[in-house]
Amino acid sequence: GDSVTQMEGPVTLSEEAFLTINCTYTATGYPSLFWYVQYPGEGLQLLLKATKADDKGSNKGFEATYRKETTSFHLEKGSVQVSDSAVYFCALSDTRNYQLIWGAGTKLIIKP
Amino acid sequence: DTGVSQNPRHKITKRGQNVTFRCDPISEHNRLYWYRQTLGQGPEFLTYFQNEAQLEKSRLLSDRFSAERPKGSFSTLEIQRTEQGDSAMYLCASSFGLAGLMETQYFGPGTRLLVL
Repeated sequence: GDSVTQMEGPVTLSEEAFLTINCTYTATGYPSLFWYVQYPGEGLQLLLKATKADDKGSNKGFEATYRKETTSFHLEKGSVQVSDSAVYFCALSDTRNYQLIWGAGTKLIIKP
Repeated sequence: DTGVSQNPRHKITKRGQNVTFRCDPISEHNRLYWYRQTLGQGPEFLTYFQNEAQLEKSRLLSDRFSAERPKGSFSTLEIQRTEQGDSAMYLCASSFGLAGLMETQYFGPGTRLLVL
């Protein structure tokens, strides 16, 4: 069945460092891909999405490109801030019933 | 703010008791989803409604679990004869979707269940 694999955390970086969180997927059909973020004590929030191959989603300085040839949707940010500390989830949509299939999440810790 | 709301936010119960959670979606959303999330894991799909019709149930949803969405508005998730393995965060999400299109799901804050 469809699945999502993302890099294990925690990922610890210094402020202003470059961030990459890897996400790869297996899927039949043509899913949409998502990154959600969960800040401490808060609910899941959509960070960005891409609905077809070669689309780039972007928001709040974060970017991810839907790469069909490598089945990847890696999350990047050029300069992270302490406020970016959170758990980041990669997910894909099941086109049959619209459910989201999730990775295990990557905890990001940014130190000042 | 008229986002997705869930009640209660926390529930502690004893093994064998029944519990019921409520989700109020964003008002114009026709799709409603329930997920379960355990510590250190991503959410797992439980069930999905389009309007009042329950269209999909995961095999994770044993016969002790039941969900309803009367009149296509709020939804309830009931767990009967709770077990310690039911301890988790129960998440509700809603979206406005047209046939064949995947729309963004908006999540509520979740209900954290602890079964003693």
